[in-house]
Amino acid sequence: QQQVKQSPQSLIVQKGGISIINCAYENTAFDYFPWYQQFPGKGPALLIAIRPDVSEKKEGRFTISFNKSAKQFSLHIMDSQPGDSATYFCAASNPGGSTLGRLYFGRGTQLTVWP
Amino acid sequence: DGGITQSPKYLFRKEGQNVTLSCEQNLNHDAMYWYRQDPGQGLRLIYYSQIVNDFQKGDIAEGYSVSREKKESFPLTVTSAQKNPTAFYLCASRPLAGGNTEAFFGQGTRLTVV
Repeated sequence: QQQVKQSPQSLIVQKGGISIINCAYENTAFDYFPWYQQFPGKGPALLIAIRPDVSEKKEGRFTISFNKSAKQFSLHIMDSQPGDSATYFCAASNPGGSTLGRLYFGRGTQLTVWP
Repeated sequence: DGGITQSPKYLFRKEGQNVTLSCEQNLNHDAMYWYRQDPGQGLRLIYYSQIVNDFQKGDIAEGYSVSREKKESFPLTVTSAQKNPTAFYLCASRPLAGGNTEAFFGQGTRLTVV
């Protein structure tokens, strides 16, 4: 059972446009929602993360929007650049129990930004 | 520099052989994880460990084994029982104290069966 569902699987955006990737989750115990960026042949790296006590977090061109009641969160990349072309993963984790520290990942979105 | 080191970067295995992938971290993190990545499948958890000498199966543990004899090390063995081992393997670590925090990934090992 997929704990975190991510869409779309692939996304093509023109340079300067807005890239939007969406994720949904079921487990209301999740309290940490990070986004990871991965370039080909490399390991994922944390891009930005949010906790459910806020509805939005912005870092530069990257913004997470969080809707607790809908159990959804999304990544917005403003002014998308060719260098943003990568695979993006959303994830979620809960604070305790036997799965302490485990991150549940979405299946990823391959973003291509055309110059 | 602190970080996670995976080795080797590329590994070739003959059918029927066991191979061991190395993962070492000097971040003093409690938890360590092994993920398998296949195109279109995202990151699937193989095994994870929260403390030395203890580990739990993830979602796709069959055909794999791990050990956690030291806090810094979490090697993964791909056994001959794993029928489709060709994939990109990622190791990660994360502190557990202080609430949810960033997980750090290694650069991965690409395993190919020949």
